[in-house]
Amino acid sequence: ETGVTQTPRHLVMGMTNKKSLKCEQHLGHNAMYWYKQSAKKPLELMFVYNFKEQTENNSVPSRFSPECPNSSHLFLHLHTLQPEDSALYLCASSQDWTAEGGETQYFGPGTRLLVL
Amino acid sequence: AQKVTQAQTEISVVEKEDVTLDCVYETRDTTYYLFWYKQPPSGELVFLIRRNSFDEQNEISGRYSWNFQKSTSSFNFTITASQVVDSAVYFCALSRFYGQNFVFGPGTRLSVLP
Repeated sequence: ETGVTQTPRHLVMGMTNKKSLKCEQHLGHNAMYWYKQSAKKPLELMFVYNFKEQTENNSVPSRFSPECPNSSHLFLHLHTLQPEDSALYLCASSQDWTAEGGETQYFGPGTRLLVL
Repeated sequence: AQKVTQAQTEISVVEKEDVTLDCVYETRDTTYYLFWYKQPPSGELVFLIRRNSFDEQNEISGRYSWNFQKSTSSFNFTITASQVVDSAVYFCALSRFYGQNFVFGPGTRLSVLP
């Protein structure tokens, strides 16, 4: 596997379900990100992890819960979502920000989530 | 605050035409990075280019070229002799020097018709 992978690619869930999105990067990076992309809206940064520590949470509702067990894996745990949470969820990774080129983010293919 | 504007929401061209995608940014930083990403229908954002604020040289990569003008805070992207495979949404983005506060523009949807 190369680059950034995300599973599942598609997910349909009810509002009472609990599910998790998984992201794995094979680039040796130290920072990982979750973005939400809704129809006709700009990309919204949700969470940032740098060296497994959460450094940013952009006022994301608590029904979204991130987890970063190591620098290669990032999860987004979902529970009691709303229909308006239906979107494409993108994961990205980058090198340490202090490294040359560390600010360039590389993206996975995304998980298309539909909440019924 | 940082902001990226892509005034063109959608553009349609016929194959082999040249097309320029506009990007205007706002930042109070003196050092920053600018990016272009391509998002084909499959959804993945593909990194195309990174440019730092110290380097105003234009860049060409095959059919792609980028024009960075600090004086007008613009970082425009031109595709020469467009192809159907260029159809995608293109995002311009801005980040601070150490990668924090990564801001994307709203994107421009490019349709290249055969």
